[in-house]
Amino acid sequence: KNQVEQSPQSLIILEGKNCTLQCNYTVSPFSNLRWYKQDTGRGPVSLTIMTFSENTKSNGRYTATLDADTKQSSLHITASQLSDSASYICVVGARGGGYNKLIFGAGTRLAVHP
Amino acid sequence: NAGVTQTPKFQVLKTGQSMTLQCAQDMNHNSMYWYRQDPGMGLRLIYYSASEGTTDKGEVPNGYNVSRLNKREFSLRLESAAPSQTSVYFCASTLGTGAEAFFGQGTRLTVV
Repeated sequence: KNQVEQSPQSLIILEGKNCTLQCNYTVSPFSNLRWYKQDTGRGPVSLTIMTFSENTKSNGRYTATLDADTKQSSLHITASQLSDSASYICVVGARGGGYNKLIFGAGTRLAVHP
Repeated sequence: NAGVTQTPKFQVLKTGQSMTLQCAQDMNHNSMYWYRQDPGMGLRLIYYSASEGTTDKGEVPNGYNVSRLNKREFSLRLESAAPSQTSVYFCASTLGTGAEAFFGQGTRLTVV
């Protein structure tokens, strides 16, 4: 069964600190891995998309890594800001079916405190 | 630049009532999707439309119907709402397979 597991479920950090969120997946056949940011009451917004051949991708203070051998990904946030408070969702795309088949993790809820 | 627009943002229904959630995208995307998001769970696909004129069931289609009205619009209908359909509903669109997905703001539906 295709699954995406994220840890931790929630995290509190102080403004300015770094943090790393984890994602493990069992999705086959693998197509891509995405990280989304979802602010409270809003829809998810894409941060990064990585294919099988990419092992790191950055978007400003966000850096995602992918280890396709161990089926693990991480999202590192550098020098956190209050506006980083949100849920971060790991999403794995599966190949086939003729559409964007996306398997969503439950998300990590991050709170950045001053 | 509107992106994906959903209406309404909030709705309260009584059990057995019907309603239609509207979704429109202005990015000329081929594929559109309806998801539901429940606490502690990842988004789950209800229905999708890979291209104009086609619709297919996703993971949790029971109790829902969809219409791809044209390339821009994709609506989700609840014929007889049940409390189990209390959820936040998101519409999304993509240019094609493997492409970035853009989401609407969501519709928070409560069925009492």
